[in-house]
Amino acid sequence: QQQVKQSPQSLIVQKGGISIINCAYENTAFDYFPWYQQFPGKGPALLIAIRPDVSEKKEGRFTISFNKSAKQFSLHIMDSQPGDSATYFCAASGTYKYIFGTGTRLKVLA
Amino acid sequence: EAGVTQFPSHSVIEKGQTVTLRCDPISGHDNLYWYRRVMGKEIKFLLHFVKESKQDESGMPNNRFLAERTGGTYSTLKVQPAELEDSGVYFCASSRLRGANTEAFFGQGTRLTVV
Repeated sequence: QQQVKQSPQSLIVQKGGISIINCAYENTAFDYFPWYQQFPGKGPALLIAIRPDVSEKKEGRFTISFNKSAKQFSLHIMDSQPGDSATYFCAASGTYKYIFGTGTRLKVLA
Repeated sequence: EAGVTQFPSHSVIEKGQTVTLRCDPISGHDNLYWYRRVMGKEIKFLLHFVKESKQDESGMPNNRFLAERTGGTYSTLKVQPAELEDSGVYFCASSRLRGANTEAFFGQGTRLTVV
């Protein structure tokens, strides 16, 4: 019940394309869903986050879509750029600790 | 403002040895967390401090792991004796507030390899 399932494990996208990463959770007590971006040798950094009272949140080229009934949320990266190549982690939280997905390694080809 | 800093960035030790990881949180952040990522798997919660008090250590794997945060500033995570399965990247994070909607800032991690 504490798991967050993330897919795909890896993703290759052409420059300018749309990258989509999906996550699913089971615990309905979760009420905060952040996405973290991690570059090699760096720690995860918050990219964008959403609460379950909204179905979508957009910040620049990054959008979270949230489906509360299905207990799923996804990250969409529009106009993907080579600089977006990184590992992306979804997470869920109901208190103070995060439950992370297994990560998606994104590579954007120039 | 300095971010979360972790030392060392890499450590290679032999099975049975002791290793101590250090984390300096962002100044003023009372909440400090340790997480670990074993290769290819999720980043897993280990424990949570509020100031110098352990609030939740439910994620600590076993009693070979000891975390401290003396004075409520920096924290150390000691593994004694280290086993092969302890290999992974150990992340420290801190946040100013406690709660689900508070951003946690992560350090760059310590990559621990036990051989």
